[in-house]
Amino acid sequence: NAGVTQTPKFQVLKTGQSMTLQCAQDMNHEYMSWYRQDPGMGLRLIHYSVGAGITDQGEVPNGYNVSRSTTEDFPLRLLSAAPSQTSVYFCASSSPSGRAPPTDTQYFGPGTRLTVL
Amino acid sequence: AQSVTQLGSHVSVSEGALVLLRCNYSSSVPPYLFWYVQYPNQGLQLLLKYTSAATLVKGINGFEAEFKKSETSFHLTKPSAHMSDAAEYFCGLGSSNTGKLIFGQGTTLQVKP
Repeated sequence: NAGVTQTPKFQVLKTGQSMTLQCAQDMNHEYMSWYRQDPGMGLRLIHYSVGAGITDQGEVPNGYNVSRSTTEDFPLRLLSAAPSQTSVYFCASSSPSGRAPPTDTQYFGPGTRLTVL
Repeated sequence: AQSVTQLGSHVSVSEGALVLLRCNYSSSVPPYLFWYVQYPNQGLQLLLKYTSAATLVKGINGFEAEFKKSETSFHLTKPSAHMSDAAEYFCGLGSSNTGKLIFGQGTTLQVKP
């Protein structure tokens, strides 16, 4: 299994540009999440999904869109990039209680480092 | 509302000394609690987790944590620090019905020779 994969690893955007961060998992996990990591603020939840076709907002959803058309993929779209969105983005997946793999362990991708100029 | 607080953004210990990283939580439902470690320029790796079984949880690399409901704490310890333990550590509070994980602000562990 490849686990959780994210592309690209690095990206530089200009203010106002749009882009999509890709996330895929091959563990048949129902739950997937996007986090951003900023110095001194830990990881903050942007959006999450409890299954294909179902998404919901996290702590910091403004400026981001998500959709979940398949179990495997959970792309994050930046509609109009702003310098405040400069961050490291992590995608994670997990399986619900009572099923293998272990209960609620989140598996993280390697991250995408985004810079908005 | 659920929340996680890590006490101390930076902790410095000498090699061979006890490591203690503090985490307190607030949750209206039985919590799932985690500790993750992040090495420079890498993603997060699970150290250990509490899921309502044993209150003393052992993890990888010699780390362990004790769940104390009365103190709403889940502190991470290691008897003897190694240089390779230098990293950032995150405490997380999980929800089984959504897959959401709320993180503390993180604690950077420095290990001095």
